[in-house]
Amino acid sequence: NAGVTQTPKFRILKIGQSMTLQCTQDMNHNYMYWYRQDPGMGLKLIYYSVGAGITDKGEVPNGYNVSRSTTEDFPLRLELAAPSQTSVYFCASRTGGDAEAFFGQGTRLTVV
Amino acid sequence: RKEVEQDPGPFNVPEGATVAFNCTYSNSASQSFFWYRQDCRKEPKLLMSVYSSGNEDGRFTAQLNRASQYISLLIRDSKLSDSATYLCVVRTGGFKTIFGAGTRLFVKA
Repeated sequence: NAGVTQTPKFRILKIGQSMTLQCTQDMNHNYMYWYRQDPGMGLKLIYYSVGAGITDKGEVPNGYNVSRSTTEDFPLRLELAAPSQTSVYFCASRTGGDAEAFFGQGTRLTVV
Repeated sequence: RKEVEQDPGPFNVPEGATVAFNCTYSNSASQSFFWYRQDCRKEPKLLMSVYSSGNEDGRFTAQLNRASQYISLLIRDSKLSDSATYLCVVRTGGFKTIFGAGTRLFVKA
């Protein structure tokens, strides 16, 4: 049972580099989310999507972009990496209503 | 004001103790409420949903007070395995899901 899969699990980037964090779910969930979690802190919502072709900003969208071309995939793009983007990134998905959100195992990103 | 606020703790309790966490939220239009558990360096996982009438799952009891805009989690007979961070989660508008910063719990033998 794959659930929500994130790749890569770990990455070190240099300042100014770009990368895409991949997120795929095989549960046919409409809602998908990207969060970041800084050390000792809670999760902050970056972007979310309510279905293919629809995305919206969360609490901390600056420096990130997303796309949702299919129901399964919700990649997160960092264009110009900065040290402030060092964090653990979690992708999550769920169905509608009061359904719980299922999380991927996270991507640990360090920008140096 | 943060949308969801929790006491960060940490709470240090002995095994067998009862411990309670509170969480307040700012948006009165919030519709759904949850408690998630997060172990160190792991992804969050659902502990329980929170219903208006209050609900219980074994040693865990969750309550919602819409008038005062807070939810609570009570853990009875704490176990060593309950040591984790407990995240208060509020969903608004059906899809925007906001997490609190979490409350850390340490249960000691």
